[in-house]
Amino acid sequence: GESVGLHLPTLSVQEGDNSIINCAYSNSASDYFIWYKQESGKGPQFIIDIRSNMDKRQGQRVTVLLNKTVKHLSLQIAATQPGDSAVYFCAAASGGSYIPTFGRGTSLIVHP
Amino acid sequence: NAGVTQTPKFQVLKTGQSMTLQCAQDMNHNSMYWYRQDPGMGLRLIYYSASEGTTDKGEVPNGYNVSRLNKREFSLRLESAAPSQTSVYFCASSDREGAYNEQFFGPGTRLTVL
Repeated sequence: GESVGLHLPTLSVQEGDNSIINCAYSNSASDYFIWYKQESGKGPQFIIDIRSNMDKRQGQRVTVLLNKTVKHLSLQIAATQPGDSAVYFCAAASGGSYIPTFGRGTSLIVHP
Repeated sequence: NAGVTQTPKFQVLKTGQSMTLQCAQDMNHNSMYWYRQDPGMGLRLIYYSASEGTTDKGEVPNGYNVSRLNKREFSLRLESAAPSQTSVYFCASSDREGAYNEQFFGPGTRLTVL
């Protein structure tokens, strides 16, 4: 089965810096990847997704990079703000199952 | 639109008690899911319903049952609660069956089993 992991459980940054959150996955058949943000006491919220036929996708202040060769993806947040403080989860899915497998999450702490 | 709603928000049970967690969505989504989240862990799938009238086991189904009451509602039942079921439970829904699409999550139910 799929396993999805994040490299660091906690990431601390200063307000205004760029943040990079990393994620690795194990199943080479994974072809859909999602990032979710979970604020304290709330359910996860979709941020951005990417399919395996792409290497990069940009949203508003966020960019996801996918490296299929090493089975790695990252979430980049530009000009990090205190409101970005949350736990970030990556998830991966493959055509055999459209339901994603979630990683453990990285807690992003933004210092003013 | 309220999105995905869950009741109750908090619940304390004694070992052996039963309860049903309720979930409803107003987005006309086909698929619905139940996850549990334990400290320091990601979300683990308990059961899902790809479409109205179908339910399937996820990664951790033991000790749980589900009912897809109609397109809007998907309930999770604990027949005999155990301390190992202390967790935060999230319900989610997604639009299309059998396709990649984002999931919308409810606010969660925080369950403690003593």
